[in-house]
Amino acid sequence: DQQVKQNSPSLSVQEGRISILNCDYTNSMFDYFLWYKKYPAEGPTFLISISSIKDKNEDGRFTVFLNKSAKHLSLHIVPSQPGDSAVYFCAARGAQKLVFGQGTRLTINP
Amino acid sequence: DTAVSQTPKYLVTQMGNDKSIKCEQNLGHDTMYWYKQDSKKFLKIMFSYNNKELIINETVPNRFSPKSPDKAHLNLHINSLELGDSAVYFCASSPTTGSTEAFFGQGTRLTVV
Repeated sequence: DQQVKQNSPSLSVQEGRISILNCDYTNSMFDYFLWYKKYPAEGPTFLISISSIKDKNEDGRFTVFLNKSAKHLSLHIVPSQPGDSAVYFCAARGAQKLVFGQGTRLTINP
Repeated sequence: DTAVSQTPKYLVTQMGNDKSIKCEQNLGHDTMYWYKQDSKKFLKIMFSYNNKELIINETVPNRFSPKSPDKAHLNLHINSLELGDSAVYFCASSPTTGSTEAFFGQGTRLTVV
């Protein structure tokens, strides 16, 4: 019973274009949503977050959108750069813990 | 100067053995966690400790026993290892329980043969 799901295991985008990563959740009690980035042989690192009372948060090239009615959030990266190639995990906070999705591997092609 | 460090990075061991993974954080955080990345790649929380006290204990077999000698350390001991325990285990810390941001170690890849 996975409360946070990322249904695309991989995504390939051309350098300079927009990357859109998606995440769905089931628990309406989550109050914060986060994106983490993970390089091979490293632990996940925090990227950006959004409170459940907001619908958009922007930080440089990264924007997270939250659609509460659809229980859906997305991460937009624009423009995409080669260094963005990594696995991206969506996470949601509830009951004093973070619940993670299974990650989406993003590959930026030159 | 690694913020959250865990050792070893790789661990290969036979079924039935007992092994430990160590974790240390130098961030001054109060809360530490153990996560397991399973074969389906989900990162699932196993335990969380706040100032050496157990806060969260998910449905993890009793063979897994966390130990927190102080708030900077959270070690994971696993008894009678099984093939299904093979996974990547991540230690993490956060300023307080329920903080929105957690800092992760580099992971320990455990392979049980």
